[in-house]
Amino acid sequence: DVKVTQSSRYLVKRTGEKVFLECVQDMDHENMFWYRQDPGLGLRLIYFSYDVKMKEKGDIPEGYSVSREKKERFSLILESASTNQTSMYLCASSLWWGGRNQPQHFGDGTRLSIL
Amino acid sequence: KNEVEQSPQNLTAQEGEFITINCSYSVGISALHWLQQHPGGGIVSLFMLSSGKKKHGRLIATINIQEKHSSLHITASHPRDSAVYICAVTGVIQGAQKLVFGQGTRLTINP
Repeated sequence: DVKVTQSSRYLVKRTGEKVFLECVQDMDHENMFWYRQDPGLGLRLIYFSYDVKMKEKGDIPEGYSVSREKKERFSLILESASTNQTSMYLCASSLWWGGRNQPQHFGDGTRLSIL
Repeated sequence: KNEVEQSPQNLTAQEGEFITINCSYSVGISALHWLQQHPGGGIVSLFMLSSGKKKHGRLIATINIQEKHSSLHITASHPRDSAVYICAVTGVIQGAQKLVFGQGTRLTINP
């Protein structure tokens, strides 16, 4: 069974801090994704990566960066946290097979509060 | 207008009822997904389909490509089915396959 592990379930940080959210998957998936989920707005893609050291902006990349130095790990970085980045953050991974992305497997989410 | 629209947004039913959640989309897709999210956050992929119908236990998903519409049905609903159900489509956006999500349907099954 695929396991996507996010480093924290709950995190509280202060405005201006640099925040790292870590995600690890154990199934050798090529694709990894970072989403944020807000009431009324649903899931929105921040960044995704389809290979080591490769990254693509999603729909709302402003204020975020990512790092993928190893295939199994995808990190989301808030360079200078702001209160509007308080949200639920979800990581996902998927396999590329048969010419298409296979279903995404999600982590349990990190509820991040910026004070 | 959202590219993926779900209805209803909220649904409350009694245990045992037959449940239908609808999803319409306006973009070209390669696949449609139904996801389930329980309170606490974790999301589970229920179905991925590109045509016809799939069944898993009490859950059935159908898709009509021509009408750009999909339905998720739950037979003999149970309180443990209470969750948010999310429809998502895989489309090619800016040259990459990405998921576009609906807003979700919050389902509550009362005993």
